[in-house]
Amino acid sequence: SQQGEEDPQALSIQEGENATMNCSYKTSINNLQWYRQNSGRGLVHLILIRSNEREKHSGRLRVTLDTSKKSSSLLITASRAADTASYFCATFSGSARQLTFGSGTQLTVLP
Amino acid sequence: DTEVTQTPKHLVMGMTNKKSLKCEQHMGHRAMYWYKQKAKKPPELMFVYSYEKLSINESVPSRFSPECPNSSLLNLHLHALQPEDSALYLCASSTGGWDEQFFGPGTRLTVL
Repeated sequence: SQQGEEDPQALSIQEGENATMNCSYKTSINNLQWYRQNSGRGLVHLILIRSNEREKHSGRLRVTLDTSKKSSSLLITASRAADTASYFCATFSGSARQLTFGSGTQLTVLP
Repeated sequence: DTEVTQTPKHLVMGMTNKKSLKCEQHMGHRAMYWYKQKAKKPPELMFVYSYEKLSINESVPSRFSPECPNSSLLNLHLHALQPEDSALYLCASSTGGWDEQFFGPGTRLTVL
């Protein structure tokens, strides 16, 4: 079953702009992960943030986690056309012992 | 080798056929997963093999049957599928803990 919702469902920006995607979830978690999926392909892991962390950076990616609000955001800075893809948040909870994906955001970066 | 491979890339089958999807990883991971993904939807977990123990999503119909011959290989046997089973089938592996999962490129299945 789907753990969370992502917002917006679709986002279209110009190359060079920043893109922000939000994820909300329902139950307590051990960690939250972000994945990217190019059209019809497998998912690629981007970043993992643990429940006791508040912010994490990896290259042009910045992830925040607010466990009190059960929400996370993914910021992609200086976007490129190659960033065009679907982005999914996924939560891992000890009770479920499985990774549960959010609904996804379709990002389009226009050259 | 940090790659998960899946074969075939595409599969078209009739409702009376029996076919199998294959997945392989050589990262020494002890957990392997099958997901089903419909268009514009997130992946949904079907099966998990973790340390050779199978966990099943109880909503998955019995026409899907997983098999884990060894810790590097994972098969999904398909029998008497329905057109609504057409989807992208993704295999993934992980260390078995709470860490990232590595996904294969998927098998695009069409049931006629």
